[in-house]
Amino acid sequence: KAGVTQTPRYLIKTRGQQVTLSCSPISGHRSVSWYQQTPGQGLQFLFEYFSETQRNKGNFPGRFSGRQFSNSRSEMNVSTLELGDSALYLCASSFPGTSAEDTQYFGPGTRLTVL
Amino acid sequence: QKEVEQDPGPLSVPEGAIVSLNCTYSNSAFQYFMWYRQYSRKGPELLMYTYSSGNKEDGRFTAQVDKSSKYISLFIRDSQPSDSATYLCAIFSGSARQLTFGSGTQLTVLP
Repeated sequence: KAGVTQTPRYLIKTRGQQVTLSCSPISGHRSVSWYQQTPGQGLQFLFEYFSETQRNKGNFPGRFSGRQFSNSRSEMNVSTLELGDSALYLCASSFPGTSAEDTQYFGPGTRLTVL
Repeated sequence: QKEVEQDPGPLSVPEGAIVSLNCTYSNSAFQYFMWYRQYSRKGPELLMYTYSSGNKEDGRFTAQVDKSSKYISLFIRDSQPSDSATYLCAIFSGSARQLTFGSGTQLTVLP
């Protein structure tokens, strides 16, 4: 079974630009969550999508947004990039339950560098 | 205060040593306790999870939870160089459907 895939793997942007990252979940998984990982803040939850609807949101500014398509693939967008947005962006997919049995499987991440 | 605090490390041990990795958490509503392992340039992979106080064993790995003191641990027996990675504790809230992670402990097992 193929794992979670994320594209692109690496990205370099300049301040003020916007960026779109893509995530394809494991086949059959309908929930997709996004996380930001930085050396200073660690792994932080961005948002979760299920059935094309944002079901949960972390504590990030509105510049961070996402969407999910009918095939469960998800994209996240960051507008007006800031230097502090440089991070590893991780996507995780799971079945849509509420127990740890519906565990989240992570992709390899997209490394975003903002210059 | 962060909801999940993890001993920061880094930790360096000789091959064959027993490793102890520890976290504390503050929210009693947290339901599931997980340990992830993250190799360099990879996403985290789930090692183990548990939801009750006590021990859960899987091969060389033992996860321990003490809900009364809000303390979770991961023990690695007979550590191997291939165990060298960053270990992240995480707590899953079913109602919020999100993982709250500790900051991670970088482990190096020296051959």
